[in-house]
Amino acid sequence: DAGITQSPRHKVTETGTPVTLRCHQTENHRYMYWYRQDPGHGLRLIHYSYGVKDTDKGEVSDGYSVSRSKTEDFLLTLESATSSQTSVYFCAISEGGLGSGGRSTDTQYFGPGTRLTVL
Amino acid sequence: AQSVAQPEDQVNVAEGNPLTVKCTYSVSGNPYLFWYVQYPNRGLQFLLKYITGDNLVKGSYGFEAEFNKSQTSFHLKKPSALVSDSALYFCAVREPGDYKLSFGAGTTVTVRA
Repeated sequence: DAGITQSPRHKVTETGTPVTLRCHQTENHRYMYWYRQDPGHGLRLIHYSYGVKDTDKGEVSDGYSVSRSKTEDFLLTLESATSSQTSVYFCAISEGGLGSGGRSTDTQYFGPGTRLTVL
Repeated sequence: AQSVAQPEDQVNVAEGNPLTVKCTYSVSGNPYLFWYVQYPNRGLQFLLKYITGDNLVKGSYGFEAEFNKSQTSFHLKKPSALVSDSALYFCAVREPGDYKLSFGAGTTVTVRA
């Protein structure tokens, strides 16, 4: 999986609790992304990062926050988990994206996923 | 806004027969198109992409895809399917200059022995 790990791989939590998912890469790629996968929707972008401490919202960002303090780590936080956030979460990386040095032709490579269940 | 449609939720074929997974897209401008495959309990694996040039793109595991601008399609094909090709396939599109990769809903392929 292209030098990408996600932790935890499975998590069950209760409504209202905070949850943090971690994505770690060893490729030194600039861009990192968080997606959620739900049946019938494919993958939808939650947030992405174009560098250390540089992040932006995707199409389904409500209820989620992210942080990137190091090139290799990208954290996704659910401040107060809800049942609608039960999903499979994927991290992706790409060498470039947009902006300086980026190319939107670059391929995104995905991690193994985290299955989150909010009861 | 860019979008992708995969008109078939499921495709069933016999091993050894040709496999086609359909994808149509909508973008303003020239598209960048991608195919990914997802095996059970795994992440998405990149198969191939079209950026520019030859309309027939060859990728991993014997897959290829044909870009058709007039029909706004990017169908995935394999001449002779294997049981091990059974998986969930996603088509994705990006507009030049955009960060966002838009995915289709996915097509489940089942290859029977």
